[in-house]
Amino acid sequence: QKEVEQDPGPLSVPEGAIVSLNCTYSNSAFQYFMWYRQYSRKGPELLMYTYSSGNKEDGRFTAQVDKSSKYISLFIRDSQPSDSATYLCAMSEGNTPLVFGKGTRLSVIA
Amino acid sequence: DAGVIQSPRHEVTEMGQEVTLRCKPISGHDYLFWYRQTMMRGLELLIYFNNNVPIDDSGMPEDRFSAKMPNASFSTLKIQPSEPRDSAVYFCASSGTGRPETQYFGPGTRLLVL
Repeated sequence: QKEVEQDPGPLSVPEGAIVSLNCTYSNSAFQYFMWYRQYSRKGPELLMYTYSSGNKEDGRFTAQVDKSSKYISLFIRDSQPSDSATYLCAMSEGNTPLVFGKGTRLSVIA
Repeated sequence: DAGVIQSPRHEVTEMGQEVTLRCKPISGHDYLFWYRQTMMRGLELLIYFNNNVPIDDSGMPEDRFSAKMPNASFSTLKIQPSEPRDSAVYFCASSGTGRPETQYFGPGTRLLVL
């Protein structure tokens, strides 16, 4: 079992839809949970950062962490064509390197 | 701030040649990471430095790969000799003191080994 599992998609949704992206993990020592967004032919950029369990909201984006289930989610409300990208989850125990999921490719159709 | 700078952006070379990838981290950041990204394997950590010292190189695939960080503003990743299976996008990322998990990535070097 890989440390971090992420459905590669592709996921295609109409503009305005609510998007749910998810990752599961096996290492219970993970404390830091990140979502990175990667546009085609660009480097990943940090989108959301969460420490331990709970929710974090930033504009149209909400990150959720459920440590009891070892499950994290990213929700995108009112999705836009500009949200079309690959979304990578990443996790860390703290002061250790990030472990990345393989990414989910999202297309938002106008 | 200019962000993480990588060069070259694209590299096409023939099998057996030496390839050198370069990275300038964000000023003031003391962690530097080298990653390789492929469709099959996703984003893989190759090696990372803290204060110019290599901390973990367990992701370096084999002895053909080497990395150096002679000072806080420059790092290189070298492949010698290169092989077609090394074809990938190589990213450099940096992060600040005490925050190795919040990494800022460069634009990547797209390497094709023929």
